[in-house]
Order: sequence, then C-alpha cells, then structure tokens
Amino acid sequence: AQRVTQPEKLLSVFKGAPVELKCNYSYSGSPELFWYVQYSRQRLQLLLRHISRESIKGFTADLNKGETSFHLKKPFAQEEDSAMYYCALTRAGGGKLIFGQGTELSVKP
Amino acid sequence: DTGVSQNPRHKITKRGQNVTFRCDPISEHNRLYWYRQTLGQGPEFLTYFQNEAQLEKSRLLSDRFSAERPKGSFSTLEIQRTEQGDSAMYLCASSLTSTNEKLFFGSGTQLSVL
Repeated sequence: AQRVTQPEKLLSVFKGAPVELKCNYSYSGSPELFWYVQYSRQRLQLLLRHISRESIKGFTADLNKGETSFHLKKPFAQEEDSAMYYCALTRAGGGKLIFGQGTELSVKP
Repeated sequence: DTGVSQNPRHKITKRGQNVTFRCDPISEHNRLYWYRQTLGQGPEFLTYFQNEAQLEKSRLLSDRFSAERPKGSFSTLEIQRTEQGDSAMYLCASSLTSTNEKLFFGSGTQLSVL
C-alpha cells in the first residue's frame, strides 16, 4: 500500500535552531517525493521535490531509499518558516499525489 | 489572478441536499485533481483528470460523489444526498504533465453539512 507518514503533528523550535521534519513512506516501486507547504491564510504550494535536488528557502531534503525516508531539514529556522508542511509521493511518471498528515512547524522568537 | 479558482468559497447545506462545486484550473494545465481535507489531516485524493478523461477515482469515494470535466477546462464536483461526514474542505489543483508533479492548488471550498 502507498502511504506517507509524518510522525510529528507539531514541531516547535526557537529561531536559529535546526529543524528536521520527518517523513517516512511505503511504496512498491520508485516513487517521487515532494514537500508542500501551507503558510497561514495561503494556498498549499510546492516547496521542493527530490528529483530537483534543490534548496528552497534554506530547506533541503534527501531521499533515503534504504530507510524509505525523505526528511526536510533547515540548519537555522526563521519565524517566517512557521507553517504546515506536508510530505507527498507519486509514482515515477506522475499521477495522483498521496499526502501525509502534515506537521505544523512553529518557530518562536 | 491567473491561479486555480474555486467556487463557492463556502457552502452550508442541510443533510440530504445535493451540492456542486466548480474549479477553474490554470488555463494551459491539462491535469486537474480533486482532494478533500478535514481538520488535522492531509489532503485526501478523490479523483483526477487528464484533459476531459477521468483517469483515476479513489476506491474510498462513495457513489454519491461524481466529477466531470466536460471540455477539458473547468471541472465540477457534485455530492448527492450529503451527509454530515462530508463536511470538509474540498481542494482543486491543476498541473502540466510535463512538470511532474508540481500541483497548483486553489483556495478550496469549505462545505458544512448541518
């Protein structure tokens, strides 16, 4: 079964602290992994995808096929990073996105 | 605004009534998705279209739900005989198949079934 698990519903850190939002997945095949973000009163939007190997707003994520994980990391959190973060996967070649339950990141001053 | 547009923004209905939502995707996008989201959960896939063809529908989706995209442009999602459990945010998203899979989401339609 295809599944995305985000074990933390809420992650609270202080400004300047490192952040790691966990994402584990189960999928038979080669999935493509994504992180989507929803800031307060804004639409859900793409943050980054593993195939691009990019760093967006200081965030990076590495796909670990052995551990079936795609954790999102940032070395120094900023208050404007406070948002809901969703990990998602789709099969290689595209199709429906399967989302995790989401993690609320709260960055305190 | 050239983003994904959803109407209405809010819908309050009585149990047993039918409701219809509309989604206008970004004009050049050929894929259109419907998701449902309840409080504290991530978006749950309902169905998606490529142009006018409905390519996949969630097995969890009741027969009371139907979606159309008649000309490959806008889409409608209809819920017949609504139940209180249908109360949720209904999200629409669109994408280009060539940018696998960057979805652009609308603001959603919040449905409340009384």
